[in-house]
Amino acid sequence: GDSVTQMEGPVTLSEEAFLTINCTYTATGYPSLFWYVQYPGEGLQLLLKATKADDKGSNKGFEATYRKETTSFHLEKGSVQVSDSAVYFCALEDTGRRALTFGSGTRLQVQP
Amino acid sequence: GAVVSQHPSWVICKSGTSVKIECRSLDFQATTMFWYRQFPKQSLMLMATSNEGSKATYEQGVEKDKFLINHASLTLSTLTVTSAHPEDSSFYICSARVVGGRSSYEQYFGPGTRLTVT
Repeated sequence: GDSVTQMEGPVTLSEEAFLTINCTYTATGYPSLFWYVQYPGEGLQLLLKATKADDKGSNKGFEATYRKETTSFHLEKGSVQVSDSAVYFCALEDTGRRALTFGSGTRLQVQP
Repeated sequence: GAVVSQHPSWVICKSGTSVKIECRSLDFQATTMFWYRQFPKQSLMLMATSNEGSKATYEQGVEKDKFLINHASLTLSTLTVTSAHPEDSSFYICSARVVGGRSSYEQYFGPGTRLTVT
């Protein structure tokens, strides 16, 4: 079945550092890919998405490119802020049931 | 907009009792709601999909007689954990898809409910 693998955390960075959170997936067909963010005490929020190969999703300075050849969707940000501290989930949506399969989440801690 | 609430946010119950968790879409209507379960340091696992006015569709391995789902209106779905046992202790998260939405990016998540069974 479908699966998503993302790097374990926590990831601890200093403010203004470069961020990469790796995500790879296994799926049949051509799924849509997502990054969700969960701030403390809040529900998951959609951060960005990509629906086909080579698409780049971007939002709030975060970017991720749908790489079909490497089945990856790595999350990047050039300069993180303390307010980016949260848990980040990579997910895919299967084309049939439109259900989401999530990775295990990566906690990001940004220190001032 | 697009806020989903869950109640309670945390609950402790004794083994053998039943617990009901509510999921509400506050400012939109949702024909489809999803229930997920999350274990510590693990991903969210889809338990079931519920559509307003019809029976829920459960994922393989999820006991439908144990996890009762009711979706009686376009803004409310409930999950009842019946005869709870310590292994049911987990974080339960719901999400709601807007009416007419056909993709997961139109799906909004609640903050979750922490269930502890003693």
